[in-house]
Formats: sequence, C-alpha cells, structure tokens
Amino acid sequence: DAKTTQPTSMDCAEGRAANLPCNHSTISGNEYVYWYRQIHSQGPQYIIHGLKNNETNEMASLIITEDRKSSTLILPHATLRDTAVYYCIVRASGSARQLTFGSGTQLTVLP
Amino acid sequence: GAVVSQHPSRVICKSGTSVKIECRSLDFQATTMFWYRQFPKQSLMLMATSNEGSKATYEQGVEKDKFLINHASLTLSTLTVTSAHPEDSSFYICSAREEAASSPLHFGNGTRLTVT
Repeated sequence: DAKTTQPTSMDCAEGRAANLPCNHSTISGNEYVYWYRQIHSQGPQYIIHGLKNNETNEMASLIITEDRKSSTLILPHATLRDTAVYYCIVRASGSARQLTFGSGTQLTVLP
Repeated sequence: GAVVSQHPSRVICKSGTSVKIECRSLDFQATTMFWYRQFPKQSLMLMATSNEGSKATYEQGVEKDKFLINHASLTLSTLTVTSAHPEDSSFYICSAREEAASSPLHFGNGTRLTVT
C-alpha cells in the first residue's frame, strides 16, 4: 500500500473549518484513500473514503486532487469533540486487506 | 452503519493468567477480522489477521502461541492473551469489514489490558 505523509499536528478554532492535508504521491490506480480518526482511548472511527471523485457525507468532505497524489479532509464546522488523531490511509480494495496506520495528525480544536 | 463490538472494554489481570477478548460484527458477516495493538503515544500496529474457519495469520514478531486467535463464526473472533506479563499491557483493538471490495474497516472500541 502507498505511503502517506501528514502533518504531525494542527490547531483549529471551534466553529471554523478544519482542513487536514495528506500526501500520497505513490498511490496506485486501484488504491482508495481512507480517513479515520481516533479519539483518546477509543477505537478508530471511519470518516470517509474515495477513489477519484470528491466525496461528502454527514461527517466530512474529502477532496482528492486530479492526479490523486494528495487529498484534504474537511470538517466544515469543527467542534471540541473533533479533537482527535486523524489518519489518512491508502489501501487497495479487497476483502483481505488490512489497514496500515501511520502517525496521523493530532487535530486540536480550540475554544 | 456497520458496528463492531468488542468486549471487555477494560480488564486487569495478574501475571501468568490468560485473558480472552471478544470481537463481534453486529450487523454484517466478516470472513476476515484484524487484531491491532496500540502502546501509549504510538500508532496502531497490526498483530494478526483472523480468518473464519482457518488459522490466523500473524505479523512478524507476534507469538502465535501467546496470542491465540479463534474465528469460529462469521460474526465472532476471539483473542486470548495467554500467560500474560506486564509487558503485554496495552490497548487491543479489533476490526472487521463488510464483504464489498471497497467497504471500510470498522473498529471496535478497544480493550485496555493491564497486567499486574
């Protein structure tokens, strides 16, 4: 699976949009971009995933560049409860594929 | 959405005893489940892949005789930490996914194991 690069930490003001970048320059054509987050002492929570097109759900939006070498997770109106470590993971499809976690980005939402 | 339930959420045991952790997929079937371990301030590390009806596949450095995995049904995998030692104290997390190729992995809420 392709390696990803994320900033170690970011701050965001409560109520503002949080934009979390991820570089995955070696991504292959069949690899999806997945985003998870982990709040302290809990299991990772699935947020969103995509292949080529931008995606939006009730939690966030995922913007993937046209060359697919980078993506941005957008939390439109960050709340204090969004403080967590956010993981960007690239993985090929297939039922036997596990996820390899990097270090992620510690997002701190400030009041 | 898909839910993975993990039990217990927290367990304290004495050195030398064994501890069993259960992982259930509540509203979908999972032929494959994954067990991760996470030490403080570190990321999740895959321990093993649990396969329904067959032997688990362990990652390099993970002792299969110490971390027994049983995946007896399409909704249940168990991890047993045998003869636990204090260095086994960690946060253990399971995950599973629905069968569609691009379906995301869903994670349990983890088990905090403390060996005294």
